[in-house]
Formats: sequence, C-alpha cells, structure tokens
Amino acid sequence: GNSVTQMEGPVTLSEEAFLTINCTYTATGYPSLFWYVQYPGEGLQLLLKATKADDKGSNKGFEATYRKETTSFHLEKGSVQVSDSAVYFCALSNNNAGNMLTFGGGTRLMVKP
Amino acid sequence: EPEVTQTPSHQVTQMGQEVILRCVPISNHLYFYWYRQILGQKVEFLVSFYNNEISEKSEIFDDQFSVERPDGSNFTLKIRSTKLEDSAMYFCASSETRGNSPLHFGNGTRLTVT
Repeated sequence: GNSVTQMEGPVTLSEEAFLTINCTYTATGYPSLFWYVQYPGEGLQLLLKATKADDKGSNKGFEATYRKETTSFHLEKGSVQVSDSAVYFCALSNNNAGNMLTFGGGTRLMVKP
Repeated sequence: EPEVTQTPSHQVTQMGQEVILRCVPISNHLYFYWYRQILGQKVEFLVSFYNNEISEKSEIFDDQFSVERPDGSNFTLKIRSTKLEDSAMYFCASSETRGNSPLHFGNGTRLTVT
C-alpha cells in the first residue's frame, strides 16, 4: 500500500536559516507528490506539487524535487521567516486512486526572530 | 479567492449521539472529500464523493458514517452513533476534477465525543 514518512518535529530555526524537511514515500505505480501547509487555526493549503520524476515543485520560496531513485520529496527553503511557522504535511496521490491523498504525520516548524 | 467553509468549528457531543458536520465546497468543484485527523496522528482519508455517490471510501468509513449532498451547495458527514474514538478534527475538501487537480481544504471541525 501507499505510505509517507516525514521527519518528526518540532523543527525550531532562527529567521533566515536554511530549512529541510525530509519526506520519503512508498507507493505503487507513479504517484503525484505534494506538500501541504497548515497555519495555526487554518485548514490545509497546497504549498507545492510534482507529478513525475525529476519535477521540481516550488512556491513562496519553498522547493521540493521528486526523486524516484530515492523515493523522496524533501522540502527546502533557503531563508525561513517567522511567518513560515506552521505544520507541513507531505502527501502522495496514486493516480489510479484519483485524489485520495495519503499523508505523512506532519512536521511542525517554529521560526524564531 | 473562493474557499471551502466548514461548520461548526467545534462540536461537542455525548457518546451515542448523532452528529452532522457541514461543509460548503467551492462552487464549481465536482469532487468532494472528508478526511480526519485524530490528535497526534496522521490525516486520514475517509471518503470521496462525485455525482451524488461515493467514489472511494477507506476502511474507517464504516456503516456508522454517511455522506450526503442535500442541495446544490452543502456536503455533509453524518456519524450515526458517536464513539469516543471518533473524536478528531474532520476536514472537508473539494477539487475541480479527478486526477492531479489540487484539493482545497476547509479549516476543519473539531469533534469532541464525551
């Protein structure tokens, strides 16, 4: 079956630090990969996605590259801001199952000024 | 920007009672979903809905659960007889199409069963 594993948090960084949140997956077929973000008191928002191997998703300074050989989709940002403090979820969608998402456990990021 | 809205934001109910969680998906979206997140655990898929019927459902979505689109705008999740373990955050989502169309999530309803 499908599964997503991401690093446990919380991750605490100072403003302008470099961020990496690791995500690896197990899936049948050729899944699409996503990062969702949940700001305090809000719902899940799509941050970025990649639909095939070697694709790079990017948004708001965040990037993640679909690595089929390592079954990974690590999230990176070169310089985090306090406003990036949130919970980040890695997820996959197996295209054979429509939009049914399998989520990782979420990683809380706390950025201190 | 259009958004998915869920009501109420917090629902407290006694074990054995029926609850209905309400969602208004984005108006031009055709696919609707419910997910839940038990405190400290992963976000889990419950059910997807299209063209007035269930498309897929997970093992969690047993006979105690049902979904309905009673009119052109609302999408509801009913739990017939709540159990303590149903306490969770329930997220509604919608998407324009199947496949790679992104899901838009609501802010969630926190259900507490006492």
